[in-house]
Amino acid sequence: QVQLVQSGAEVKKSGDSVKVSCKASGYAFSRNGVSWVRQAPGQGLEWMGWISADNGDINLPQKFRGRVTVTTDTYTSTAYMELRDLTSDDTAVYYCAKDYNYIIDYWGQGTLVTVSS
Amino acid sequence: QTVVTQEPSLTVSPGGTVTLTCAPTTGAVTGGSYPNWFQQKPGHAPRPLIYRSTNKHPWTPARFSGSLLGGQAALTLSGVRPEDEAEYYCLLFHGGVWVFGGGTKLTVL
Repeated sequence: QVQLVQSGAEVKKSGDSVKVSCKASGYAFSRNGVSWVRQAPGQGLEWMGWISADNGDINLPQKFRGRVTVTTDTYTSTAYMELRDLTSDDTAVYYCAKDYNYIIDYWGQGTLVTVSS
Repeated sequence: QTVVTQEPSLTVSPGGTVTLTCAPTTGAVTGGSYPNWFQQKPGHAPRPLIYRSTNKHPWTPARFSGSLLGGQAALTLSGVRPEDEAEYYCLLFHGGVWVFGGGTKLTVL
């Protein structure tokens, strides 16, 4: 069965960086894409970016360009999202999701990132 | 950046029917917006319900349906059950990026 398993919770300080991993199984990882989504406490969902594990194409919204790096490792079927220059506004649960052909169908369990000043 | 609007909250009686809508502040929803709908309950990851406007995932209950309605994406729940109480989010591909709606809190009462 399709599974996306994310790395564990992180506690960071303002100005730090965080890198969240998302290990996929149960499907052809290298033929699909991965989107990253976050949710601040009590808030809605926010899309952070997408990467194709097939050809490495990347799509990032303006808000996160220059601060977010998304990568994949097709040998280990793992996607990564790195967020730099953290502030308290980045405290959120971060999700990865399988995203191919405009269909988002499987999600990771989420990774809580807490940023303290 | 485009804002996608949803009803902040709706209330429906058990067994009733309710329609949630989703639209960008600029432009209309078309097939090329590839609307996705998700259900989220507290403490859980979003659960996909609908993709590409009208298509259901294998796990999507039959009482959920998606449509395009007058330039908006719509999610209709028919024969609502108590367990449908949740937050519902739409997701549109607009201006070359994905944009989530603000979410609709559905109360079953």
